[in-house]
Amino acid sequence: QSALTQPASVSGSPGQSITISCSGTSTDVGTYNLVSWYQQHPGKAPKLMIYEVTKRPPGVSNRFSGSGSGNTASLTISGLQPEDEAEYYCCSYAGSNLHVLFGGGTKLAVL
Amino acid sequence: QVQLQESGPGLVKPSETLSLTCSVSGGSISNYYWGWIRQPPGKGLEWIGYIYSSGITNSNPSLQSRVTISVDPSKNQFSLKLRSVTAADTAVYYCVRDGGYSSSSSYFDFWGQGTLVSVSS
Repeated sequence: QSALTQPASVSGSPGQSITISCSGTSTDVGTYNLVSWYQQHPGKAPKLMIYEVTKRPPGVSNRFSGSGSGNTASLTISGLQPEDEAEYYCCSYAGSNLHVLFGGGTKLAVL
Repeated sequence: QVQLQESGPGLVKPSETLSLTCSVSGGSISNYYWGWIRQPPGKGLEWIGYIYSSGITNSNPSLQSRVTISVDPSKNQFSLKLRSVTAADTAVYYCVRDGGYSSSSSYFDFWGQGTLVSVSS
């Protein structure tokens, strides 16, 4: 099965905003409001940042927000901070055949 | 606070079976889906499959023929078996909880720390 498509890398300066895209198809991102985003620092387990496209779990900074349009979901991080430097993965339900798909990951550099 | 902990051998020989167990503490295994996700060294995440507390399972079509996921509610544990492993199965294996209560929402709100399993003779 095909993974969701993310840019390999993005960068931004402290205080700036960045957006990471997650491109899927009409059989996953475009149909189900079940997109989630994860932050992973080196050597650590991923951490849930956004679920069901736009919802933020308790304890996650409101600088992180999610959105979706058509077959693409996006994660926006505003007011970039050095600790935001990490790998970010999107994830989507893909129906009863494919079940769950991940994106290839996006490395965020805070310069 | 729910906590998950993977356990199992860190080295498995090619063609043998990889077996991992995830112990859940701080909450009941009932009414949630529990799953496995893996990450080959330096690569991205791959969903392996999940199981509901009642025993209903789903798994990645690419691994389905080799995967068995089981649950033991009495021990608050669930397990993964992956048969006929090759070097391509070398990865950090994470156990996770699906955040949807009584139905899968395909997001993972609690993760184990991960365990590296290497496949080598």
